[in-house]
Amino acid sequence: GAVVSQHPSRVICKSGTSVKIECRSLDFQATTMFWYRQFPKQSLMLMATSNEGSKATYEQGVEKDKFLINHASLTLSTLTVTSAHPEDSSFYICSAGIGTGAIKLFFGSGTQLSVL
Amino acid sequence: SQQGEEDPQALSIQEGENATMNCSYKTSINNLQWYRQNSGRGLVHLILIRSNEREKHSGRLRVTLDTSKKSSSLLITASRAADTASYFCATGGLGGYQKVTFGTGTKLQVIP
Repeated sequence: GAVVSQHPSRVICKSGTSVKIECRSLDFQATTMFWYRQFPKQSLMLMATSNEGSKATYEQGVEKDKFLINHASLTLSTLTVTSAHPEDSSFYICSAGIGTGAIKLFFGSGTQLSVL
Repeated sequence: SQQGEEDPQALSIQEGENATMNCSYKTSINNLQWYRQNSGRGLVHLILIRSNEREKHSGRLRVTLDTSKKSSSLLITASRAADTASYFCATGGLGGYQKVTFGTGTKLQVIP
């Protein structure tokens, strides 16, 4: 099956710093990637849809200046958490879809962000 | 906003028993999918059922979809300890837009 690689798997940073998370589709081209946030024991909340070559589409309530998304190529999307604060600590997961209509998503392994 | 709600929220069974999880959703869908998540990991796609299908099988998994009731169920037969994980339903919207919304999840524990 298709593989999505997400790095880093875990990051600890100081409050006020920025953190970049990468999401790569290794063996397929992903015109669309999705970024989710997951709090402990909760479901995945869609943050934004990342489209190659265009601006990301953010869900309501997600600050686009806080969570910068860049989808520079068909195999790479990045999420940068700018000026991170402790409340940004969470598990972030990316996914990429194959095909239109019936969408099957392939997920990265997630990034656990801890902001001190 | 989340589309689906799963029930039960948590389920604990003995190895060898069957596990049934239910998902209800609110709006019309193109398809419904079930995913599995091991603790602290990404999600793995299990099975997809289209809105014009009523039942689908994959190995020990059986999924049903009732669009009139806006509900789906996932049955895992002859459960194994390795099936211990959280299971999420996810709904795909109409119009071909690649947006998938996840339910609240069921945490399954299979006791050896």
